[in-house]
Amino acid sequence: SQTIHQWPATLVQPVGSPLSLECTVEGTSNPNLYWYRQAAGRGLQLLFYSVGIGQISSEVPQNLSASRPQDRQFILSSKKLLLSDSGFYLCAWSVWDAYTEAFFGQGTRLTVV
Amino acid sequence: AQTVTQSQPEMSVQEAETVTLSCTYDTSESDYYLFWYKQPPSRQMILVIRQEAYKQQNATENRFSVNFQKAAKSFSLKISDSQLGDAAMYFCAYRLNNNNDMRFGAGTRLTVKP
Repeated sequence: SQTIHQWPATLVQPVGSPLSLECTVEGTSNPNLYWYRQAAGRGLQLLFYSVGIGQISSEVPQNLSASRPQDRQFILSSKKLLLSDSGFYLCAWSVWDAYTEAFFGQGTRLTVV
Repeated sequence: AQTVTQSQPEMSVQEAETVTLSCTYDTSESDYYLFWYKQPPSRQMILVIRQEAYKQQNATENRFSVNFQKAAKSFSLKISDSQLGDAAMYFCAYRLNNNNDMRFGAGTRLTVKP
């Protein structure tokens, strides 16, 4: 069966510090991978998605970047965090078939102080 | 770009009663899929129900059903016989058949009163 791992679960970082959130998927190959952010009281904002190694689509210009160094690994990064980067970050995967839903990780609560 | 709108930030329902959550979307495409997700306090995203746009029949999963109005671009979720465990954030989502991203609405927080 397929599983998705996302870590860390919580993170408190000072303004200006770097960020690296990691997500890995097991039990499938060539998944679509997604990073979403859920700000307090707001919906899920699609940040990045990837259909293959090295292929990243950015939805919102911002302080964040994503990379996919391996087929089942998706990394969300920042060189210098801003206060506005605080939120709940969710990684998800899906197969290419649009009928299939996206499966989500447990999320990372990021607080920038 | 496709957008998904959930106009009800919060809703409440009495236990055992029925509640309907609204969702509209904007697209010029005809082939797509719609989803409702539930996010309980644990924050885990759980698929509730899905609908294929080419199917006129409304999807049903036990106490959950949808009212899909393609012409109106509306996709509401009806929860019958509401239970305390239904309390959660509910997100409507949209995915094109020829695209790989999935767009979500802002969510509706459902409270179930005992």
